[in-house]
Amino acid sequence: GDSVTQMEGPVTLSEEAFLTINCTYTATGYPSLFWYVQYPGEGLQLLLKATKADDKGSNKGFEATYRKETTSFHLEKGSVQVSDSAVYFCALGSGNKLVFGAGTILRVKS
Amino acid sequence: SAVISQKPSRDICQRGTSLTIQCQVDSQVTMMFWYRQQPGQSLTLIATANQGSEATYESGFVIDKFPISRPNLTFSTLTVSNMSPEDSSIYLCSVVLSGNYNEQFFGPGTRLTVL
Repeated sequence: GDSVTQMEGPVTLSEEAFLTINCTYTATGYPSLFWYVQYPGEGLQLLLKATKADDKGSNKGFEATYRKETTSFHLEKGSVQVSDSAVYFCALGSGNKLVFGAGTILRVKS
Repeated sequence: SAVISQKPSRDICQRGTSLTIQCQVDSQVTMMFWYRQQPGQSLTLIATANQGSEATYESGFVIDKFPISRPNLTFSTLTVSNMSPEDSSIYLCSVVLSGNYNEQFFGPGTRLTVL
């Protein structure tokens, strides 16, 4: 079945450091790919998405490119802030269902 | 996007009791879902809430334990029945807006603790 694998956390960075959170997927067909963010004590928010190969999703300084050849959708940000501390979930959309990765905790220290 | 609210936001319940969680959306949506997020874990889909018919449950979830209603296109309820401490989780509803194929927006969640 469809699945998503994320790098394990927690990831701890200093403010203004470069961020990469790896995400790879296994799916039949051509899924849509998403990154969701969950801030402490809150629900999930859609951060960015890509619906086809080579699409780049971007939002709030975060970017991810849909790479079909490597079945990856890695999340990147050039300069993280303390306010980016949260749990990040990679997900794929198959039909009308979402399959989530395990989540990666990001901690940014000032 | 849509404004999604859930009630209650949190609750502490006794073993053996049941809790009904409400999900209200400010616009009509094509699909609604219920997820469970166990402590420190990712999200697991419980079921798709179908308007006017029985919900569609994922493997490992049954109607007797998690009855779901969806009387119209803006409202759904999830009941967690005969609770045990293992049911302590965050329960989230999500919606798909018309025209946004498989892009889901989530409610704030209901944090349930069972003693």
